[in-house]
Amino acid sequence: SAVISQKPSRDICQRGTSLTIQCQVDSQVTMMFWYRQQPGQSLTLIATANQGSEATYESGFVIDKFPISRPNLTFSTLTVSNMSPEDSSIYLCSVRQDQSTDTQYFGPGTRLTVL
Amino acid sequence: RKEVEQDPGPFNVPEGATVAFNCTYSNSASQSFFWYRQDCRKEPKLLMSVYSSGNEDGRFTAQLNRASQYISLLIRDSKLSDSATYLCVVNLATGNQFYFGTGTSLTVIP
Repeated sequence: SAVISQKPSRDICQRGTSLTIQCQVDSQVTMMFWYRQQPGQSLTLIATANQGSEATYESGFVIDKFPISRPNLTFSTLTVSNMSPEDSSIYLCSVRQDQSTDTQYFGPGTRLTVL
Repeated sequence: RKEVEQDPGPFNVPEGATVAFNCTYSNSASQSFFWYRQDCRKEPKLLMSVYSSGNEDGRFTAQLNRASQYISLLIRDSKLSDSATYLCVVNLATGNQFYFGTGTSLTVIP
């Protein structure tokens, strides 16, 4: 399986600011995703990060709030913009290595607290 | 109705016990099924995929019942290290959307 790292691992931010989370994979992967896991909840897909084009967002998530970049097949960023305490959550990057497999592997997550 | 529903537990069982979790899914077009394990403050990790014929991996057995739209996970001879939250995950036939259950909490007691 792919080895996935995320930076930062955790952060405490003031409301109104923005935070960019990085996801790095040790091999080229076809698909990368960003999830959110709020306290006591399960995972919710934010968007699919598409290489070379705009991300595909799920219902309830918009590009202005969660801009995503994916400049190549091993790296993606998620920005949480104009943060509020409701954005406090764990943000997880995940990957599918290729189209022939539907197994997803997750990064270690970024624990965000917004004051 | 939620796409995936699980009994949140918690399940507290003694070492050596057998414990079973069930998960139901609402979309009959669902294509792929998984059990993930998530330890406290850690990311989910794939435990096993679930195949139509059922599959076993050591002490873990997963079963799929398409007619009733549920999947199950059986853990035999529970170990302390099995304590975690077990997430049921379903992938629809189209698109990339993976639906996660809210997880079932298991604590194995010495």
